[in-house]
Amino acid sequence: ILNVEQSPQSLHVQEGDSTNFTCSFPSSNFYALHWYRWETAKSPEALFVMTLNGDEKKKGRISATLNTKEGYSYLYIKGSQPEDSATYLCASGGTGNQFYFGTGTSLTVIP
Amino acid sequence: ETGVTQSPTHLIKTRGQQVTLRCSSQSGHNTVSWYQQALGQGPQFIFQYYREEENGRGNFPPRFSGLQFPNYSSELNVNALELDDSALYLCASSLTSGLYNEQFFGPGTRLTVL
Repeated sequence: ILNVEQSPQSLHVQEGDSTNFTCSFPSSNFYALHWYRWETAKSPEALFVMTLNGDEKKKGRISATLNTKEGYSYLYIKGSQPEDSATYLCASGGTGNQFYFGTGTSLTVIP
Repeated sequence: ETGVTQSPTHLIKTRGQQVTLRCSSQSGHNTVSWYQQALGQGPQFIFQYYREEENGRGNFPPRFSGLQFPNYSSELNVNALELDDSALYLCASSLTSGLYNEQFFGPGTRLTVL
C-alpha cells in the first residue's frame, strides 16, 4: 500500500490570488502521478499525467511540477477564479495497475 | 465521443443484500477500473479489467467481484452487503492498461446500505 498525502486539506483564497498545494508519495518504485480536479456533482477530470523527475506541465492557469527523488508534486493555480473551486486529487501508480489516491485538497475561491 | 456513464445514480440496499453497479466505458477504451470512495477518504482501488480479464485488484474481499463485457462495459457486484459498503463507487476507463494512461471517470453511483 502506498501512502499518498495531500496538504492542505482545505484552502480558501480570494479571487485573483495564486495558490499551490502539495502531494507527497513514496519515492521508491515510482511509476506515474496523476492530478485530477473534481467539482461538486461532476466526474473527476484528469488534469495531468506526470512520469519523469523534473516534469513540469501546464494547462491554462494551472501547472504542476514533479520531484520523484524526494516524492512530491506541487499543483499551482495562478490568478484563482471562482470556477477553480473544486477538490484537487492526486494519485500515485503502484504495482498491479493500482492507483493510490490522496484525500484531496478542497479549494474555495471567494469572489 | 460519449463519456463514461454509470448506473444507477443512487441506490439504497439493506445489509446482506447483493448489488450490481454498471459502467459504460468511453468509446475506444478497453480498460475499466473501479474505485470506492468512503466519506472523508480518497478513492480506493477495487480492481481493474482489461480486455475482459481482471488485471489488478486492491485490498477488497472476494464478495466484491466484477465483469467486463466484449463491448468493454463493466459491472461491479457486491454480495452480502455490509454497512461499511456505503460509499460512492466510481468507474474510470482508459485507452488501455497501464499507469501512464489518462483515466476518464464516470459520475459515480452513491450506494447506501441500511
